[in-house]
Amino acid sequence: SQQGEEDPQALSIQEGENATMNCSYKTSINNLQWYRQNSGRGLVHLILIRSNEREKHSGRLRVTLDTSKKSSSLLITASRAADTASYFCATDTGANNLFFGTGTRLTVIP
Amino acid sequence: DAGVIQSPRHEVTEMGQEVTLRCKPISGHDYLFWYRQTMMRGLELLIYFNNNVPIDDSGMPEDRFSAKMPNASFSTLKIQPSEPRDSAVYFCASSLGGIGANVLTFGAGSRLTVL
Repeated sequence: SQQGEEDPQALSIQEGENATMNCSYKTSINNLQWYRQNSGRGLVHLILIRSNEREKHSGRLRVTLDTSKKSSSLLITASRAADTASYFCATDTGANNLFFGTGTRLTVIP
Repeated sequence: DAGVIQSPRHEVTEMGQEVTLRCKPISGHDYLFWYRQTMMRGLELLIYFNNNVPIDDSGMPEDRFSAKMPNASFSTLKIQPSEPRDSAVYFCASSLGGIGANVLTFGAGSRLTVL
């Protein structure tokens, strides 16, 4: 069974708008990572946030983590058409395995 | 570095045939992971290696699946005999150090279709 569940499953926005994706997970974690997958390609790491961190930024990306609610969010500001992809959260529970969520498919309309 | 290299990118075969997928990890990475992605089950870890040694193969679905890593620069995932339900995209990923505080670098994947 998968550890993470992303919400929404699909999101369509206009270029320039912000996109927010949420991830909920079930058990305690060491860290949480976000990956992007373009159609027909492999996953690319975006950002890692540790369990003792609450917020992290990387360029136009902002990730928050609420361990009390077992949830994380990924915010992409000023979206571009090139941001169109599927986004996955992945949790590290200490078992040397990353448990990937179901993914959010983001479409940015030019 | 060219990244994680997988071959073939696409494979179409008939049920019962043997399938071999190949992976070249990033030079210097000591961990190698094989994942499978399907619409129904998402991304699942099949097996991972540390310094060429298989550490956890609990995700390998059946005895029909086997994986080897004869040296630090090459790994194979073999399915024999293949079945239609094996149709999926198979990803290889590598990392320096385990998952703990490290990230995975994925290959482009091998899309397998078993007819």
